[in-house]
Amino acid sequence: AQTVTQSQPEMSVQEAETVTRSCTYDTSENNYYLFWYKQPPSRQMILVIRQEAYKQQNATENRFSVNFQKAAKSFSLKISDSQLGDTAMYFCAFMIAVGSSGDKLTFGTGTRLAVRP
Amino acid sequence: NAGVTQTPKFRVLKTGQSMTLLCAQDMNHEYMYWYRQDPGMGLRLIHYSVGEGTTAKGEVPDGYNVSRLKKQNFLLGLESAAPSQTSVYFCASSPPWNTEAFFGQGTRLTVV
Repeated sequence: AQTVTQSQPEMSVQEAETVTRSCTYDTSENNYYLFWYKQPPSRQMILVIRQEAYKQQNATENRFSVNFQKAAKSFSLKISDSQLGDTAMYFCAFMIAVGSSGDKLTFGTGTRLAVRP
Repeated sequence: NAGVTQTPKFRVLKTGQSMTLLCAQDMNHEYMYWYRQDPGMGLRLIHYSVGEGTTAKGEVPDGYNVSRLKKQNFLLGLESAAPSQTSVYFCASSPPWNTEAFFGQGTRLTVV
């Protein structure tokens, strides 16, 4: 079974600061995907960024980037130039790349980020 | 675009009552999922479906049943609600091999 661990407590940063959230996972699979989802106070789950395990290059999506360390099973999220709208709970998630049996996600417990003006 | 729509958004049940949560998607996705979110535990998979007429158990299936009679709908049933089923329920859908899941807005269920 796969496990995803997010152990950082809540964090508060000021607008424009850079913040990093960490995630570790455990799996014996070789082909998988990793995700960061954002859940703002509206409760909606929003995909922030996705990383394919077979790609060595770290994924980047505008102000969001990841540091993917496959050997260490580490997947951290970096938010640059943080904005008020980044205030949310952030979930790390894992998916085995099997396709035909459903793209099931395993989530971490989440880490809360508050951005203050 | 409606995307994934969950009905209802809020519900309070008494212990022992039954109810059905409806999830509808208009993106023609093959895969659909039901997750529950509890404080400090993230989202956990209850049941999922890889196509019309098929369902399978996830991580925490006990106390729930599901049906996928139509491709666009995925129903989650609670036959006899228990306080331990107080949670926020999320439905999601995805096309095969796409890896991006689209979530509904959630249903907050309280069992008293």
